[in-house]
Amino acid sequence: DAGVTQSPTHLIKTRGQQVTLRCSPKSGHDTVSWYQQALGQGPQFIFQYYEEEERQRGNFPDRFSGHQFPNYSSELNVNALLLGDSALYLCASSSRGYATNEKLFFGSGTQLSVL
Amino acid sequence: AQKVTQAQTEISVVEKEDVTLDCVYETRDTTYYLFWYKQPPSGELVFLIRRNSFDEQNEISGRYSWNFQKSTSSFNFTITASQVVDSAVYFCALSAFSGSARQLTFGSGTQLTVLP
Repeated sequence: DAGVTQSPTHLIKTRGQQVTLRCSPKSGHDTVSWYQQALGQGPQFIFQYYEEEERQRGNFPDRFSGHQFPNYSSELNVNALLLGDSALYLCASSSRGYATNEKLFFGSGTQLSVL
Repeated sequence: AQKVTQAQTEISVVEKEDVTLDCVYETRDTTYYLFWYKQPPSGELVFLIRRNSFDEQNEISGRYSWNFQKSTSSFNFTITASQVVDSAVYFCALSAFSGSARQLTFGSGTQLTVLP
């Protein structure tokens, strides 16, 4: 039973570029959430997708956008990258829609470095 | 607004010692959920426990135990007889309503190092 998988594991970009991160949820899960974790900090909620729609959004600018596909996998897109976007991006999956009181299963993350 | 505070940034103990990780939370919601997650060096967060605001019973799972006290808004985590494999960053998290939506807020984490 595969857990949450994310790709790529590492990525290096320069300021102003665009990036796409990918996530496949745990088998049987239909909800995907994305988190940004800066060095030495806890994860910060970016947004959550359920039934191919963005259901909740944290305090992140419109440069951060996403998509969920019919097979429940998801993408996170970040446009016009800034140095401050350098972080570990974590994907988490759960079932039962967009309730945030559910246990989350996390992937190992994508480490994004913006130079 | 809701907030989770983990005042201990780093803790170092010697194997077999007991260690307690502190978590203090703030919320105006009356129905909320508290979590602990473990983040080993590999990066993925691993769920440890979830408690709701109506259940103040302490819980024990093997060497792990949790003490939930609403009166002090605390949800502390104790590891008994620590082992080197317990070395990781531990996060406390709160799910509660903030504005019109329920949000999940993480603390900044406590880096636990268990020395052999």
